[in-house]
Amino acid sequence: GNSVTQMEGPVTLSEEAFLTINCTYTATGYPSLFWYVQYPGEGLQLLLKATKADDKGSNKGFEATYRKETTSFHLEKGSVQVSDSAVYFCALRMFSGGYNKLIFGAGTRLAVHP
Amino acid sequence: GAGVSQSPSNKVTEKGKDVELRCDPISGHTALYWYRQSLGQGLEFLIYFQGNSAPDKSGLPSDRFSAERTGGSVSTLTIQRTQQEDSAVYLCASSPGMGERETQYFGPGTRLLVL
Repeated sequence: GNSVTQMEGPVTLSEEAFLTINCTYTATGYPSLFWYVQYPGEGLQLLLKATKADDKGSNKGFEATYRKETTSFHLEKGSVQVSDSAVYFCALRMFSGGYNKLIFGAGTRLAVHP
Repeated sequence: GAGVSQSPSNKVTEKGKDVELRCDPISGHTALYWYRQSLGQGLEFLIYFQGNSAPDKSGLPSDRFSAERTGGSVSTLTIQRTQQEDSAVYLCASSPGMGERETQYFGPGTRLLVL
């Protein structure tokens, strides 16, 4: 079946450190891949996406590249800020049965300290 | 413009009571989704609406859960005879239609606590 696996948190970093949150997926067909972010007390927000192999999604200094050969979509940021502290969800989207279904990973909590 | 809104934002109830959770999608969005986020878990798909019909109810965890959508807009998720394991954040999302590239926009969620 379709599934998403992401690294367990919490991830604790100092400000300006490099961030990587690993995400791998299992899917039939060719899903689109997403990273969503959930800031404390808020709903899910779309952070970035990639719809086909080798696409790179980017937003707010975050990047992720759709790697079909390794079925991965790792999230990276070169220099994190305290304001990046949140829970990050990797997700795949399958279009099946006439609609889109999002399948999420368990989420990774990031805590950035000054 | 206005995003997806949900109410109440928080709900505390006693085991065995019924609860209703409301979702107002973005105006004009025809597709609506409900998800559940349990403590320490990822997001679990519950149900999908296209207009007023629900072609996929496969994620509803038991027959105590039901959902409806009237007028192609507001949706209500009802949990009957609540149990402690129903405690979770219930998220609603909407998207413009059924297209393959449609992005889902999420509401802030309703945090449900069953005592």
